[in-house]
Amino acid sequence: AQSVTQLGSHVSVSEGALVLLRCNYSSSVPPYLFWYVQYPNQGLQLLLKYTTGATLVKGINGFEAEFKKSETSFHLTKPSAHMSDAAEYFCAVSETGGSYIPTFGRGTSLIVHP
Amino acid sequence: KAGVTQTPRYLIKTRGQQVTLSCSPISGHRSVSWYQQTPGQGLQFLFEYFSETQRNKGNFPGRFSGRQFSNSRSEMNVSTLELGDSALYLCASTGEGYSYNEQFFGPGTRLTVL
Repeated sequence: AQSVTQLGSHVSVSEGALVLLRCNYSSSVPPYLFWYVQYPNQGLQLLLKYTTGATLVKGINGFEAEFKKSETSFHLTKPSAHMSDAAEYFCAVSETGGSYIPTFGRGTSLIVHP
Repeated sequence: KAGVTQTPRYLIKTRGQQVTLSCSPISGHRSVSWYQQTPGQGLQFLFEYFSETQRNKGNFPGRFSGRQFSNSRSEMNVSTLELGDSALYLCASTGEGYSYNEQFFGPGTRLTVL
């Protein structure tokens, strides 16, 4: 079984500050990990994904995430927040070799203050 | 390629009615998944269709059903609507050869049950 925990339903940062959105997962097999972003009244858009290989993954819009197996974490970061980053962010996990249907976290709403 | 499209975008129904939502996947994608998104429960998996067959199913009552056509377009139906069915319904498609299980989401259908 797989599960995802996103710490903090809301994260507030100032424009230009570091963005850190936390995600911890549990999976009985090596996971695939994803971060999606959802803007108001829109569907989810893939930001980045970890499959195999390099544990530091770079995505779109300046975001990156690091897979840490020992900590079962996949935190999302961005060095400098922009107003346009304000959105809902979802971490998801799917299991290799099994049903590929991903399990999503509850989401974290990123608020960016000017 | 055109993205995943969903129709209608907004829908208002009353309790007891039934509703049908439509999803057209990305050209060439044969897998279509449906999710219900609510503030209280987050993203919950409804079901997945692949080549006109239901391949995976979430934990929803039988009032929720779906089907997929030979052109991969999918519909989901909710019968005897309840107030709690008010939600954003998201459709996602996945292509063959996507061993990394990436899903591409549509913009969703916002269903309001009065």
